[in-house]
Amino acid sequence: QQQVKQSPQSLIVQKGGISIINCAYENTAFDYFPWYQQFPGKGPALLIAIRPDVSEKKEGRFTISFNKSAKQFSLHIMDSQPGDSATYFCAASISGNTPLVFGKGTRLSVIA
Amino acid sequence: DSGVTQTPKHLITATGQRVTLRCSPRSGDLSVYWYQQSLDQGLQFLIHYYNGEERAKGNILERFSAQQFPDLHSELNLSSLELGDSALYFCASSVGQGSAGELFFGEGSRLTVL
Repeated sequence: QQQVKQSPQSLIVQKGGISIINCAYENTAFDYFPWYQQFPGKGPALLIAIRPDVSEKKEGRFTISFNKSAKQFSLHIMDSQPGDSATYFCAASISGNTPLVFGKGTRLSVIA
Repeated sequence: DSGVTQTPKHLITATGQRVTLRCSPRSGDLSVYWYQQSLDQGLQFLIHYYNGEERAKGNILERFSAQQFPDLHSELNLSSLELGDSALYFCASSVGQGSAGELFFGEGSRLTVL
């Protein structure tokens, strides 16, 4: 049973374009939704996170959009750069109680 | 550099063998999490320790066990290894008990079972 479903599995975007990765969850008790970025040979690192009391959070070129009623959240990368090429994982948890549950990841390639 | 150290980085062994993976968390972090990463399953949570005590178990096989020592380092023991156990094993640490804060991941231990 996969609690967090992530799509697409892979994504190719032109430099300067917008990358969009989507995640859907089932457990309405989830209240913490981070995105992690992983470069080859490295461990995942926290990129940005959101809680369900806001619908959007922006940090630089990275934005999380959150739709509580649809139980979906997405990561938007504006002005995508080749250096953004990595695997992105969405995750969810019930803060303070459960470990992070990760999606299966999206491999993003930004081409010039 | 996340501050989390995992050893060994690479390990090749045969089916039926036993291996131990080691993790040193960031200074001051009391929680240690173990995750398994495979191509088709993504990051699967295995087990969580906080200050030496087991706090949560995920999809961890009975052939696998873990512990956190008084100095807060942790070890993941994998026994009776099968081909399907080949994967990247990540350790992550955090300050508190819960997962609402940032997890800091090590660079992983790549296990290959032949």
